[in-house]
Amino acid sequence: SQTIHQWPATLVQPVGSPLSLECTVEGTSNPNLYWYRQAAGRGLQLLFYSVGIGQISSEVPQNLSASRPQDRQFILSSKKLLLSDSGFYLCAWRGGDRGRIRRNEKLFFGSGTQLSVL
Amino acid sequence: EDKVVQSPLSLVVHEGDTVTLNCSYEVTNFRSLLWYKQEKKAPTFLFMLTSSGIEKKSGRLSSILDKKELFSILNITATQTGDSAVYLCAVLRGGSQGNLIFGKGTKLSVKP
Repeated sequence: SQTIHQWPATLVQPVGSPLSLECTVEGTSNPNLYWYRQAAGRGLQLLFYSVGIGQISSEVPQNLSASRPQDRQFILSSKKLLLSDSGFYLCAWRGGDRGRIRRNEKLFFGSGTQLSVL
Repeated sequence: EDKVVQSPLSLVVHEGDTVTLNCSYEVTNFRSLLWYKQEKKAPTFLFMLTSSGIEKKSGRLSSILDKKELFSILNITATQTGDSAVYLCAVLRGGSQGNLIFGKGTKLSVKP
């Protein structure tokens, strides 16, 4: 069965420090991978998605970047954190768009990282 | 701009009550609508709706989609304190990326 791991669960960082959040998926190949941020009262905002190794699309301009060095690994980074980067970050995956489309429409989430920038 | 709007944003009921959560959307290239329940951390999948008028049911929860009026409802009957959570509605767009657009969620609190 497929599983998704995201770490760390909680992170407190000072303003201006770097960030690296990691997400890995097991039990599937060539997944679509996503990073979402959930700020209080604002719902889930898509930050980045990737349909393959080295392929990153950004949905909103910001202080963050993403990388996909391996098929099932997705990393969210920042060189210098801002106060506004605080929030709950969720990694998610779904099957790539090959084969039966309707089986691949559910998005599965990791357990999230609560980031506080102070 | 594509958007998903949920209402109400917050709701407090007592155990045994029935609640209806609403989700309306304006999305180009609609593919499907999904409901998630988020208690503390990761949202967990509830329903996926693709066709109009077909009710999906799981225990006390049910949901239906109206593609003509562009909305969906999630019903919870005989609510329990364990139903307290944020309920998220999301629409999957077609295209190569197939991204989900989420609403802001409805925070449901069920009091004993």
